[in-house]
Amino acid sequence: QKEVEQDPGPLSVPEGAIVSLNCTYSNSAFQYFMWYRQYSRKGPELLMYTYSSGNKEDGRFTAQVDKSSKYISLFIRDSQPSDSATYLCAMRLSNNNDMRFGAGTRLTVKP
Amino acid sequence: KAGVTQTPRYLIKTRGQQVTLSCSPISGHRSVSWYQQTPGQGLQFLFEYFSETQRNKGNFPGRFSGRQFSNSRSEMNVSTLELGDSALYLCASSPGGLAGGPRTDTQYFGPGTRLTVL
Repeated sequence: QKEVEQDPGPLSVPEGAIVSLNCTYSNSAFQYFMWYRQYSRKGPELLMYTYSSGNKEDGRFTAQVDKSSKYISLFIRDSQPSDSATYLCAMRLSNNNDMRFGAGTRLTVKP
Repeated sequence: KAGVTQTPRYLIKTRGQQVTLSCSPISGHRSVSWYQQTPGQGLQFLFEYFSETQRNKGNFPGRFSGRQFSNSRSEMNVSTLELGDSALYLCASSPGGLAGGPRTDTQYFGPGTRLTVL
């Protein structure tokens, strides 16, 4: 079993849809949870960064962390074609920078 | 502020050769981490350098090594290249926090160096 599980998709939605992306993990010691967006042939770009359980909202993006279920989510409202990319969840312990990544979900938003 | 820069962007090498990749972090960031990204294994942590010292290390063989200079720039070296080393090598920088303290800082990635081993 992988430490971080993420459905690789692909996921295709129409423009304006709400997108839900999820990851599960096995290490209950993870404290910091991140979502990165990666366009083709580019480096990952940080979207959301949360500590422990709870919700965080930034514009059209909402990140949720449920540590009791070892489950994190990213919601994208009013999705746009420019949101088409691979979305990577990542998480780490509190005392080092060794991030563990999910496999990434490839999202396509169709006009 | 300028982002993380990596050079070169593309490299082609043959088996058995060695390669050195370079990373310049965001100004003021003292921590540099290196990751390998492949279609099969995804993103995997190689190591982190902070104030010229390796602070953390992932599960990679000793052929993978790195160093950091006093200006926080970092280099990664892979010796005796194998076909399986073909990957996108990503560098990420962060402020670094306090030595021994909790790591609350976030990491920002560069564009990567795509290494092809023939």
